[in-house]
Amino acid sequence: DVKVTQSSRYLVKRTGEKVFLECVQDMDHENMFWYRQDPGLGLRLIYFSYDVKMKEKGDIPEGYSVSREKKERFSLILESASTNQTSMYLCASSSWGNTDTQYFGPGTRLTVL
Amino acid sequence: GQQVMQIPQYQHVQEGEDFTTYCNSSTTLSNIQWYKQRPGGHPVFLIQLVKSGEVKKQKRLTFQFGEAKKNSSLHITATQTTDVGTYFCATGSGNTGKLIFGQGTTLQVKP
Repeated sequence: DVKVTQSSRYLVKRTGEKVFLECVQDMDHENMFWYRQDPGLGLRLIYFSYDVKMKEKGDIPEGYSVSREKKERFSLILESASTNQTSMYLCASSSWGNTDTQYFGPGTRLTVL
Repeated sequence: GQQVMQIPQYQHVQEGEDFTTYCNSSTTLSNIQWYKQRPGGHPVFLIQLVKSGEVKKQKRLTFQFGEAKKNSSLHITATQTTDVGTYFCATGSGNTGKLIFGQGTTLQVKP
């Protein structure tokens, strides 16, 4: 079974803090994704990576950066957290090609105070 | 860019009633995937459709891909409380591995 894990299920941070969200997958997938999910807005893509050290902006990259130094690990960084970044963050991975299933991690519920 | 519109946004049904969610696009889609997210959970892949007019069944769930490959539907026969959750459709975007997700339909089932 594919396993995608995220470093925290719940996280509370203060405005202005630097926040790191970690995601690890164990299936040697090329693609990894970061989404945020808010009520009524569905899943919005923040960034994705199709190879080590490669990244592309998604639909809402502002205020976020990412890092992929190893194939299995994809990190989402909030350089200076703000209250409007309070959300559920979901990581996903898939193998190459747009017909391939995405496997999601359990999510991190981030609250920024 | 490519978009998929999903309706309805919410649906409340009595247990035993049927339920359908629709996914529509103005452009031809290469494929459609369906995901289910239980309350408090994460999206889980259900099925993929790639052929025009394709119909697939999983027990009480029936998935259809339109003849023009611009729409898709998920129909649940005789809903059960275990069907509660949000159902998302998604389609591939170019050759990048990205998926474009619909807004989701949240189903609530009254016992």
